[in-house]
Amino acid sequence: NAGVTQTPKFRILKIGQSMTLQCAQDMNHNYMYWYRQDPGMGLKLIYYSVGAGITDKGEVPNGYNVSRSTTEDFPLRLELAAPSQTSVYFCASSFLGTGESGKLFFGSGTQLSVL
Amino acid sequence: GDSVTQMEGPVTLSEEAFLTINCTYTATGYPSLFWYVQYPGEGLQLLLKATKADDKGSNKGFEATYRKETTSFHLEKGSVQVSDSAVYFCALSDEGENAGNNRKLIWGLGTSLAVNP
Repeated sequence: NAGVTQTPKFRILKIGQSMTLQCAQDMNHNYMYWYRQDPGMGLKLIYYSVGAGITDKGEVPNGYNVSRSTTEDFPLRLELAAPSQTSVYFCASSFLGTGESGKLFFGSGTQLSVL
Repeated sequence: GDSVTQMEGPVTLSEEAFLTINCTYTATGYPSLFWYVQYPGEGLQLLLKATKADDKGSNKGFEATYRKETTSFHLEKGSVQVSDSAVYFCALSDEGENAGNNRKLIWGLGTSLAVNP
């Protein structure tokens, strides 16, 4: 089982460049999430999706965009990268959401540096 | 709003020592509580959970009991191993009336554990 696959693992961007972080899951999960993890700051939710064609903002959506055209894929787009977007990005998925029986499956992360 | 507070790390222990990582929370309503673990170079994975007061979650020798009276969910293990070296995250699930079926997790900052042989 591949689970949740994120690419790339590492990336360095220059200020103002754009890129897309890829995320795919093969568990037929309805719910998918993008988090960023800053040192000593825990996890912050960027965007989430409850199914194909449906996305919604999390706590820190500014500077990012997402789309969910299929159940499997949930790419995160960074437009006009800024140093404040230097972080580790995690994609996650779940079947029932994060309710009582919810369980998130995480990808291995993308370490992004904006210089 | 809801929040989770974990003890600061890093925590350094010798193999076979007893582990406690403190976690307290603030929440309205009746949240579910979780411990996630992040091994070096990997994503987070669920370690254990509890959904109501006095529930005990357990997995891989780790335990945590949902204490409503002290709003705590401390993680314990009787004898740690080198392979337990990781970052541990406490989290709660917002169970508010408007949360629907997609209740978002609220995370603590994580506690790094290093176990020496």
